[in-house]
Amino acid sequence: GAVVSQHPSWVICKSGTSVKIECRSLDFQATTMFWYRQFPKQSLMLMATSNEGSKATYEQGVEKDKFLINHASLTLSTLTVTSAHPEDSSFYICSAPLAGITDTQYFGPGTRLTVL
Amino acid sequence: AQSVSQHNHHVILSEAASLELGCNYSYGGTVNLFWYVQYPGQHLQLLLKYFSGDPLVKGIKGFEAEFIKSKFSFNLRKPSVQWSDTAEYFCAVPNQAGTALIFGKGTTLSVSS
Repeated sequence: GAVVSQHPSWVICKSGTSVKIECRSLDFQATTMFWYRQFPKQSLMLMATSNEGSKATYEQGVEKDKFLINHASLTLSTLTVTSAHPEDSSFYICSAPLAGITDTQYFGPGTRLTVL
Repeated sequence: AQSVSQHNHHVILSEAASLELGCNYSYGGTVNLFWYVQYPGQHLQLLLKYFSGDPLVKGIKGFEAEFIKSKFSFNLRKPSVQWSDTAEYFCAVPNQAGTALIFGKGTTLSVSS
């Protein structure tokens, strides 16, 4: 099946620094990728839709200047958490659909961000 | 706006018990419905999906779900659970614009051996 990878799997950073998380589709091309945030014991909250060749679409309440998304190629999307604060600590998950946007999503393993 | 709700927050079963997890969605035109599972320490993976046709959908690992249009439901079932079914289960539907998936809050299933 299709594989989506994320790097790093866990990152610990100091408050005020920026952290970049990569999401790659390993064996297929993804013009669209999704970024989610998952709090412990809670559901996935869609943050934004990453579009190759155009700007990302952010969900209501998500600060686009804080969570910078760049869809650099058909296999890579990056999420940069700028000026991270402890409240940004969370599990960040990306996904990519193999076909249409509302078709089966293939999820990355997630990146745990801990901001001290 | 399209939405999905899962009523069971935490379900605890013994091995061999039958399972049914509820999922209800709000009406929004053409309905595509998904169940995803997240095993401890692993990433989300698709259990099954319904797009059209037979409303009884069979997925991996013995799971099935039935789409009941009149009840706006897509409940997940398994006749006999195993310890290895311990996981978090999420129901999902596309948003009304068809641009993303909306997930329910999830149900934690704990199976004791």
